[in-house]
Amino acid sequence: SQTIHQWPATLVQPVGSPLSLECTVEGTSNPNLYWYRQAAGRGLQLLFYSVGIGQISSEVPQNLSASRPQDRQFILSSKKLLLSDSGFYLCALNQNDRFNSPLHFGNGTRLTVT
Amino acid sequence: GENVEQHPSTLSVQEGDSAVIKCTYSDSASNYFPWYKQELGKRPQLIIDIRSNVGEKKDQRIAVTLNKTAKHFSLHITETQPEDSAVYFCAVHVSGGYQKVTFGIGTKLQVIP
Repeated sequence: SQTIHQWPATLVQPVGSPLSLECTVEGTSNPNLYWYRQAAGRGLQLLFYSVGIGQISSEVPQNLSASRPQDRQFILSSKKLLLSDSGFYLCALNQNDRFNSPLHFGNGTRLTVT
Repeated sequence: GENVEQHPSTLSVQEGDSAVIKCTYSDSASNYFPWYKQELGKRPQLIIDIRSNVGEKKDQRIAVTLNKTAKHFSLHITETQPEDSAVYFCAVHVSGGYQKVTFGIGTKLQVIP
């Protein structure tokens, strides 16, 4: 079965510091990968999605970037964090070879920017 | 682009009563409609889904209905229990190239014992 690994589980970073969150998946190949952010008590905001290695699409312009160096690796980065970057970051996947399949989420990283 | 509206944003019910959450969407090309449950501090998890060629689907106490003409679908939870308390998200998939997924804003359900 497919598994999504996200780390770290929690992170506290000062404003202006860099960020790197990693997501790796197992048990599947060529998945669609997604980064979502959830502010406290709010909905799911799609940040980036990827349909393959090196293919990244951004949904919301901001100071974040994403990369997919390998089929099963998806990285979220920032050069300088803002207070507004605080939130719960979720990596998700679904199957690329099926027209309709649900998203499976990782356990998430709770980021607090101070 | 797709616009998904979810109502209500909060819902309180007595244990044993039913709960209904409704979502409306705008893109007629939408063809897959999952519902996710998110417990406090945890990841969203799929609880039920429905495809565009089906009008209703049921799994024990949970059911989803879809009205493609009116572009809305609803989650029905019967005989609610305290462990049903969570935030519920609807989502809409539009196929084409990749599966563009749009989420509703979420409904916080509280089941009062």
